[in-house]
Amino acid sequence: QQQVKQSPQSLIVQKGGIPIINCAYENTAFDYFPWYQQFPGKGPALLIAIRPDVSEKKEGRFTISFNKSAKQFSLHIMDSQPGDSATYFCAASFGEETSGSRLTFGEGTQLTVNP
Amino acid sequence: KAGVTQTPRYLIKTRGQQVTLSCSPISGHRSVSWYQQTPGQGLQFLFEYFSETQRNKGNFPGRFSGRQFSNSRSEMNVSTLELGDSALYLCASSLLYNTGELFFGEGSRLTVL
Repeated sequence: QQQVKQSPQSLIVQKGGIPIINCAYENTAFDYFPWYQQFPGKGPALLIAIRPDVSEKKEGRFTISFNKSAKQFSLHIMDSQPGDSATYFCAASFGEETSGSRLTFGEGTQLTVNP
Repeated sequence: KAGVTQTPRYLIKTRGQQVTLSCSPISGHRSVSWYQQTPGQGLQFLFEYFSETQRNKGNFPGRFSGRQFSNSRSEMNVSTLELGDSALYLCASSLLYNTGELFFGEGSRLTVL
């Protein structure tokens, strides 16, 4: 299976809260897991990414947690701000010569951070 | 450094017509991918080009085609447009082939009437 399942579909938090977005995959051949952030009227922008040999990666207020045995990974946004309100997509790629840069995206999570 | 540029940003077509969308990648990037984004299907991979060759193709009918030029610029074409082709078409470039680090343009919003 090449699907990536993402939840929740939408999420509302207060400023300073820690929204958590979860993704699950089936194909263990996936070896690169990026998160993209998309604002209305804009294209997705790479936020942070992780490979299966690492269980956690932090970049600023954004953290990816990766559970290889459960085939799940999640995005945590620390001290969330209203400017973080956007749609977030998880994705996965095979990283093989034959697969190129092809990304399989999750369904997306619309995050709203209230002031 | 200029980002990925897509033209036109918005266009309206009628069923049966064809459309050509253009994408200029970030300078130095040699790989260009195209994605279709719709509320119902989300982001779906169309195809990827590297060194003027189509390296990967998604599950779309043959009405969807593309090409890449020697300067890495790319075009995609949709023939015999259907109502269901209404979508945001996103182009992404990457420095190398075989990397998930894509840089997306703002997209071309196609409406088919």
